[in-house]
Amino acid sequence: GENVEQHPSTLSVQEGDSAVIKCTYSDSASNYFPWYKQELGKGPQLIIDIRSNVGEKKDQRIAVTLNKTAKHFSLHITETQPEDSAVYFCAASINNNDMRFGAGTRLTVKP
Amino acid sequence: NAGVTQTPKFQVLKTGQSMTLQCAQDMNHNSMYWYRQDPGMGLRLIYYSASEGTTDKGEVPNGYNVSRLNKREFSLRLESAAPSQTSVYFCASSATDRWYNSPLHFGNGTRLTVT
Repeated sequence: GENVEQHPSTLSVQEGDSAVIKCTYSDSASNYFPWYKQELGKGPQLIIDIRSNVGEKKDQRIAVTLNKTAKHFSLHITETQPEDSAVYFCAASINNNDMRFGAGTRLTVKP
Repeated sequence: NAGVTQTPKFQVLKTGQSMTLQCAQDMNHNSMYWYRQDPGMGLRLIYYSASEGTTDKGEVPNGYNVSRLNKREFSLRLESAAPSQTSVYFCASSATDRWYNSPLHFGNGTRLTVT
């Protein structure tokens, strides 16, 4: 089955700086790559996703890039704010019942 | 619009006790899922239901059973709880069927401790 690795496990940045989280996947058949944000005591919430027919997608301060050849994808957050502090999960799947998650990155944005 | 609602929020069980975790969604989604979240391991799929009346095993199904009661409700049962089942359990739903990816909508979780 699919195996997803996520780095780093923790990331601390100053407010206003950029943050980058990277994931690699093992199954070349995976075609859907969502990113979830989890705040303390809450369930994960989708923040952005990308499908395999697209190389990059942007939504305001958040962007995701996908390199299918190298089997890795990354989340980029620009102009970070304290409310961006949370745990972020990447995932990869062929279909919804086979979605595999990375172990998570705890992002801390210092004011 | 409540989305995905899970009950209870917290539960403490003794080894060998049984319990059922409840989940309901009000988004008319076809598919529902149960995940467990353990430190350093992300989320792992326990069981899923691609549509009303069907259930299938996920990555870590041992020790669990599920029931898709109707389109809205999907319950997870622990027949004889073990300390290894101490975890945070998340229910999720998605709009489409098993052969097409769509975003998962998660509840806020049930924190279960088995002593």
